[in-house]
Amino acid sequence: GAGVSQTPSNKVTEKGKYVELRCDPISGHTALYWYRQSLGQGPEFLIYFQGTGAADDSGLPNDRFFAVRPEGSVSTLKIQRTERGDSAVHLCASSLTGGTGGRETQYFGPGTRLLVL
Amino acid sequence: AQKITQTQPGMFVQEKEAVTLDCTYDTSDPSYGLFWYKQPSSGEMIFLIYQGSYDQQNATEGRYSLNFQKARKSANLVISASQLGDSAMYFCAMREPQGAQKLVFGQGTRLTINP
Repeated sequence: GAGVSQTPSNKVTEKGKYVELRCDPISGHTALYWYRQSLGQGPEFLIYFQGTGAADDSGLPNDRFFAVRPEGSVSTLKIQRTERGDSAVHLCASSLTGGTGGRETQYFGPGTRLLVL
Repeated sequence: AQKITQTQPGMFVQEKEAVTLDCTYDTSDPSYGLFWYKQPSSGEMIFLIYQGSYDQQNATEGRYSLNFQKARKSANLVISASQLGDSAMYFCAMREPQGAQKLVFGQGTRLTINP
């Protein structure tokens, strides 16, 4: 079946602008995650959704970042008043239930490369 | 404090040789999970192998195996019979129960397989 998809694959914007990044999880996966990966670093957690609700948003760096998942499927990461430091690859992942037990795997999308000029 | 440490920024290996990528972790929770992901130049993170803290045996998945030494808090990835297509970034990650569902990643190791 189809994996996690993200659009756009690349986004170039100017400092101060607003951007939206979209994630389509694997069909049937109730858990969805956003990570941010700066150049030369490992991914860093931003936010986790269980269904429609944000179960953990402790990784969002500040109030310019916001994410929604209104119908429990597609999610949108929204960044207001973008800054040059926001330039990074934004990765989305999904997993079947988000359960703590066992080896539940997070499956990642190809990411959106955001460049803020 | 760094929870996942990957001390090898880069590794160069001849094709068909085995390679070990190092990963050490730090946690006080007895229950945790360890993951390895591969990230080729295309950018997508590809799941390779999982090891649970209570698993009695080292995990294996095809050419990938995990050398899990719990007392030393290390979870090294072993790739046998390396192939040119193995060239990529490799990330070790940990999930802790109190950390909800998030994965904490190391900084990665860039593996290059030479023909």
